Amino acid sequence: DIEMTQSPSSVSASMGDRVTITCRAGVYISSNLNWYQQKLGEPPRLLIHGASTLERGVPPRFSGSGSGTEFTLTINGLQPDDLATYFCQQSFSYPTFGGGTKVELK
Amino acid sequence: QVQLVQSGAELRKPGASVKISCEGSGYSFTTSYLYWLRHVPGQRFEWLGSIVPGNGVTTVAQKFQGRVTMTREALINTAYLELSHLTPDDTAVYYCARYAEVNWFDLWGQGTQVTVSS
Repeated sequence: DIEMTQSPSSVSASMGDRVTITCRAGVYISSNLNWYQQKLGEPPRLLIHGASTLERGVPPRFSGSGSGTEFTLTINGLQPDDLATYFCQQSFSYPTFGGGTKVELK
Repeated sequence: QVQLVQSGAELRKPGASVKISCEGSGYSFTTSYLYWLRHVPGQRFEWLGSIVPGNGVTTVAQKFQGRVTMTREALINTAYLELSHLTPDDTAVYYCARYAEVNWFDLWGQGTQVTVSS
C-alpha cells in the first residue's frame, strides 16, 4: 500500500487567513492525488482531483498543487464553512488516504 | 437527484456478520466502479473492496480477503457489502462511494455505522 503522510494534523486559523495543508506520498504517484473535505456526521466531499483540478461547485478559494510525491491544498481566505477535516487520497494504486487535517478557528 | 443511499445502523456481536446495502439513483449505476470504505474517526479511511455493478466483478483488499463479499442487484441499482467474522475492531462508519474516471470518489453514500460489541 502507498503510504500518505499529511501535515499538520490540525491547524488553528482566523477567518480570512490562508491555510496550507501538505500531503506526501511514500512513492511517486504523478498527479494522482485528490483532496476531500469532511464535516462532522457527513460523508467526505470531493474538492480537488488530479492534484489541481477543482471539482464543480467548489469555491475558487480552494486550490491544489504538486506532483510526484509532494502536494498542497491551499485555502485562500478561510471562511466559517471551511471549518472541517481535510483528507488527501492517492489513486495511483489501490486507494489510500492521509491521516487528515482538522481546520479549527483560532 | 444523483445520490447513493445506504442502509441504516447495525449492531452485531463478535463473530457475527453484517450486510449493508447501497442504492444508487440519478446516474448510470452499472457503468461506474463502486467502492466500499470504512472510517473510524481519528483514523485513516480504509478501502475494503470494489465492484463493477454492470458485471459483478469484484476486487477485495488483501486485508479483508475471506471476510468480505460484495454483490449487486443491477435491476434495482443496489450493491451490497457483507463482512463476516466481526470483531470490535470492525466498529466503524462504512461508506459506499462512486469511483469516477477510476480515479476519484465523487459521490458518497451517507455512511452506515456498524458497531460490534458483546
